Amino acid sequence: GESVGLHLPTLSVQEGDNSIINCAYSNSASDYFIWYKQESGKGPQFIIDIRSNMDKRQGQRVTVLLNKTVKHLSLQIAATQPGDSAVYFCAVSGDSWGKLQFGAGTQVVVTP
Amino acid sequence: NAGVTQTPKFRVLKTGQSMTLLCAQDMNHEYMYWYRQDPGMGLRLIHYSVGEGTTAKGEVPDGYNVSRLKKQNFLLGLESAAPSQTSVYFCASSYLWDDRGYTFGSGTRLTVV
Repeated sequence: GESVGLHLPTLSVQEGDNSIINCAYSNSASDYFIWYKQESGKGPQFIIDIRSNMDKRQGQRVTVLLNKTVKHLSLQIAATQPGDSAVYFCAVSGDSWGKLQFGAGTQVVVTP
Repeated sequence: NAGVTQTPKFRVLKTGQSMTLLCAQDMNHEYMYWYRQDPGMGLRLIHYSVGEGTTAKGEVPDGYNVSRLKKQNFLLGLESAAPSQTSVYFCASSYLWDDRGYTFGSGTRLTVV
């Protein structure tokens, strides 16, 4: 069956360093990928998305890379700040009804 | 611009009690979803709706019912609560293939004792 997994449950990053969060998916038909950020006590918030016809997309301090060959995507956060401390989820969809499948999440902890 | 509003934010139920969680969105979104979030398991889809008057089962529908009588509202019901339903529940909505994915509510933390 389908599965979406993140590689690390917790990532500790020093303030100012770059963060890389990884996610693997199993359905080769998946064509839309999203990264969400969830702060404590809040719902997930959209960060950045990418479609399967792209390999890379950049936002403000964030970059998503998609490798369809190995079914892997990553989120890079440049110059990580204390406000980046949160749980990050990847979500994957290949279903025409728009249903997303979420990974378990990676907790990013930013240390001073 | 309220987005997606969930009520209540917190609730404690006794085993066997019933309750309804309300989700309201003001973005005219067609799709609405109910997820539950448990530690280490990410978000799992309970039920979803592709439009007013329609509902469908997701990944973990047992023990829950839903209704979408109005486009802006999506109700999640627990007929007879069980401790296994202790979780954080999130509602989300989307406009078909909205480029920004789903808009989530802030969640309802439910404890069943």
